[in-house]
Amino acid sequence: QSALTQPPSASGSPGQSVTISCTGTSSDVGGYSYVSWYQQHPGKAPKLMIYDVSKRPSGVPDRFSASKSGNTASLTVSGLQAEDEADYYCASYVDGNNYVFGTGTEVTVL
Amino acid sequence: EVQLVESGGGLVQPGGSLRLSCAASGFTFSSDWMTWVRQAPGKGLEWVANIKQDGSEIYSVDSVKGRFTISRDNARNSLYLQMNSLRVEDTAVYYCARNALTAFDYWGQGTLVTVSS
Repeated sequence: QSALTQPPSASGSPGQSVTISCTGTSSDVGGYSYVSWYQQHPGKAPKLMIYDVSKRPSGVPDRFSASKSGNTASLTVSGLQAEDEADYYCASYVDGNNYVFGTGTEVTVL
Repeated sequence: EVQLVESGGGLVQPGGSLRLSCAASGFTFSSDWMTWVRQAPGKGLEWVANIKQDGSEIYSVDSVKGRFTISRDNARNSLYLQMNSLRVEDTAVYYCARNALTAFDYWGQGTLVTVSS
């Protein structure tokens, strides 16, 4: 399985929005509504931010939103805050009950 | 409160073996799929393997097939990863995670495995 493709970096000023893309194939992102997004601060475990393409777990701010179109999913962080600076990874269910993560995007708050 | 605590990491020579454990608490362990995810130093996340509630279904990434075995003991609320024929490229922090339906909603703090001579 090849990793899903994400841009290496993204940035924005406090209060602005940043959008991260996650591109896969019809065997993963495009084939299922099972895309999730994770936030990881340095030295910490990943944290689930979005599941099933666009659903937020309890406790995740509504500044985090996500969607999918074809083989590409996207995560948008609105109203950027300093604590949003982290690495973000997408993940998708894959044919055969496997999973694949994205390459990761480092978000910098300027 | 859901807690996942990994243990068993350490330094091992290429070709060696290691068994990782993950102790779960705060939820009904036997009701959920469980997963191992790894992260090489400075690199991204990689899904390694997952296991069904009763252990009857197991799936893993191609790069560990035939070398790593995921298992669980529901009576002990524990998840395991037996790693054999270890390679330098297996060096990573290994996380256990609860596989809630189609996402990984709770993660442990990770345990570092270093494969080096």
